[in-house]
Amino acid sequence: QSVLTQPPSVSGAPGQRVTISCTGSSSNIGAGYDVHWYQQLPGAAPKLLIYDNINRPSGVPDRFSGSKSGTSASLAISGLQAEDEADYYCQSYDSSLSGWRVFGGGTKLTVL
Amino acid sequence: QLQLQESGPGLVKPSETLSLTCTVSGGSISSSYYYWGWIRQPPGKGLEWIGSIYYSGSTYYNPSLKSRVTISVDTSKNQFSLKLNSVTATDTAVFYCARHTSWLGAMDVWGQGTTVTVSS
Repeated sequence: QSVLTQPPSVSGAPGQRVTISCTGSSSNIGAGYDVHWYQQLPGAAPKLLIYDNINRPSGVPDRFSGSKSGTSASLAISGLQAEDEADYYCQSYDSSLSGWRVFGGGTKLTVL
Repeated sequence: QLQLQESGPGLVKPSETLSLTCTVSGGSISSSYYYWGWIRQPPGKGLEWIGSIYYSGSTYYNPSLKSRVTISVDTSKNQFSLKLNSVTATDTAVFYCARHTSWLGAMDVWGQGTTVTVSS
């Protein structure tokens, strides 16, 4: 099981808005460490989607947005498009043990 | 534009050592702001951080893999490498190298990944 918990799957129709949650604990997200989000299209390497909780790298549409509160973070995708169908992963840092970078288990987004 | 490319054997026998290299092009591995990491993804599963290195040679490993992992850097070749010893079938995965922007920063540039199968 992953240190960060994500729903295994979410779905939405084109044009709709979906959110993906990422739940952590007091040793990672709750300790103030930033959350980053990655999109992995089928057969491709992950791509950075959101960094430092809320920021979009150049080229990422503003349909994608991130937020963080307490021990959780969320990724929202508005105006769903067929090309958004992918796996999404959150990532943060955990201060337990000797400190390590941790990923969520991933969420499969299906565009209906 | 910075690019990362993984290379190494696609097949490794159980109990042996998996060795991969990541070649950095379009930029210097010695940039003071960046760290360089390895991530793996078993078939049909999620991402797992293996470890990271700074150009000075400082290393940071996933506690669950620390006893079997060594990451090194060769600044003269603009490369960093991964060694994972005593492999088993559960180490079969796609291995990615990536750059991250500071120790706690996001992984903003990724290699395309290379598949390594552990099998006799």
